[in-house]
Amino acid sequence: GAGVSQSPSNKVTEKGKDVELRCDPISGHTALYWYRQRLGQGLEFLIYFQGNSAPDKSGLPSDRFSAERTGESVSTLTIQRTQQEDSAVYLCASSLNSYEQYFGPGTRLTVT
Amino acid sequence: AQSVTQLGSHVSVSEGALVLLRCNYSSSVPPYLFWYVQYPNQGLQLLLKYTTGATLVKGINGFEAEFKKSETSFHLTKPSAHMSDAAEYFCAVSETGQAGTALIFGKGTTLSVSS
Repeated sequence: GAGVSQSPSNKVTEKGKDVELRCDPISGHTALYWYRQRLGQGLEFLIYFQGNSAPDKSGLPSDRFSAERTGESVSTLTIQRTQQEDSAVYLCASSLNSYEQYFGPGTRLTVT
Repeated sequence: AQSVTQLGSHVSVSEGALVLLRCNYSSSVPPYLFWYVQYPNQGLQLLLKYTTGATLVKGINGFEAEFKKSETSFHLTKPSAHMSDAAEYFCAVSETGQAGTALIFGKGTTLSVSS
């Protein structure tokens, strides 16, 4: 079946611009996670959605970062006024039962 | 707080040689432990996981890992490396294994396999 998909695969933007990253989870997966992977680093948790519950935003690094999810489907991660330190690969994962998370291919964001 | 340490950011082996990727964790409760593999320009793929029960777990592609509570370790091994194993490997821990618990990842180990 279809896995987690993300778009765009690559995004180059100028410092100060806003960007939107999209994630399509596996159908039926109630949980959705966003992670950030900086060069040479492990993955950092950003935000978690579970059904219609309030999201866990504890990992968002600043108020320039926000995310939305429509029901149990698509999620959008928005970064406002991008900075060079925002350059990273942004990974989305979805999960059905809890701990087993399925990852998308990621969006590589480059802020120039 | 939980943390994961992967010893060695880069490991090189010859084809056919033993692969050993080291992972140590810290957790205040019995953890759930994972190994993920990431091939270039792809997302992470789950190799194997430890939740409860048998401490030696087998995963895909001939990999296995052993949970050693006394050593707080979860090292990944494969008896004979193949060229296709070249990738980046991440160890991760979850404290509860419940929905909504973010995984805590190590910084990754890049495995190179030479012929």
